[in-house]
Amino acid sequence: KAGVTQTPRYLIKTRGQQVTLSCSPISGHRSVSWYQQTPGQGLQFLFEYFSETQRNKGNFPGRFSGRQFSNSRSEMNVSTLELGDSALYLCASSFSPLTSGVTYEQYFGPGTRLTVT
Amino acid sequence: AQSVTQLDSQVPVFEEAPVELRCNYSSSVSVYLFWYVQYPNQGLQLLLKYLSGSTLVKGINGFEAEFNKSQTSFHLRKPSVHISDTAEYFCAVRVGSTLTFGKGTMLLVSP
Repeated sequence: KAGVTQTPRYLIKTRGQQVTLSCSPISGHRSVSWYQQTPGQGLQFLFEYFSETQRNKGNFPGRFSGRQFSNSRSEMNVSTLELGDSALYLCASSFSPLTSGVTYEQYFGPGTRLTVT
Repeated sequence: AQSVTQLDSQVPVFEEAPVELRCNYSSSVSVYLFWYVQYPNQGLQLLLKYLSGSTLVKGINGFEAEFNKSQTSFHLRKPSVHISDTAEYFCAVRVGSTLTFGKGTMLLVSP
């Protein structure tokens, strides 16, 4: 079974630009979560999607947005990039959303390393 | 709100020695607890999880953790480490739909 894939793996952008990152979950998984990882703040939850609906959102500004398609693939977008947005962005998929009665494991992708200059 | 504290940012240890990585959490409700490992330039891999039942949980690669409700701890242990265990380890707690991670502990195994 193929794992979670994220594209691109590395990205360099300039301040003020926008960026779109893509995540393909494991086949059959319908829940996709996004996390930001930085040396200073560690791993922080961005948002979770299930069946094309955002179910939960972390404490990030509105410049961070996402969506999920009918095939469960997800994208996240960051507009008006700032230097502080430089981070590793991780996507995780799960069979079911985190709020379900049964806890399913989250499988993480390798991440997209975003550098903002 | 819940929080996770990993008491050590780095733990150096010699190969074949035992190791314990400490994790404390705060939450006013029941939690699910996890340990993840991250190797350089990779995503997170689940080592083990505590959902309910036995407080001693065994995971992959010889790791185990013990859930202690009274001390709100979930420490990770391995009786004998290998060079290949060098990585960053993250403790995480889930309450409802939110997964909160600790800052991570870098395990450095030397020969």
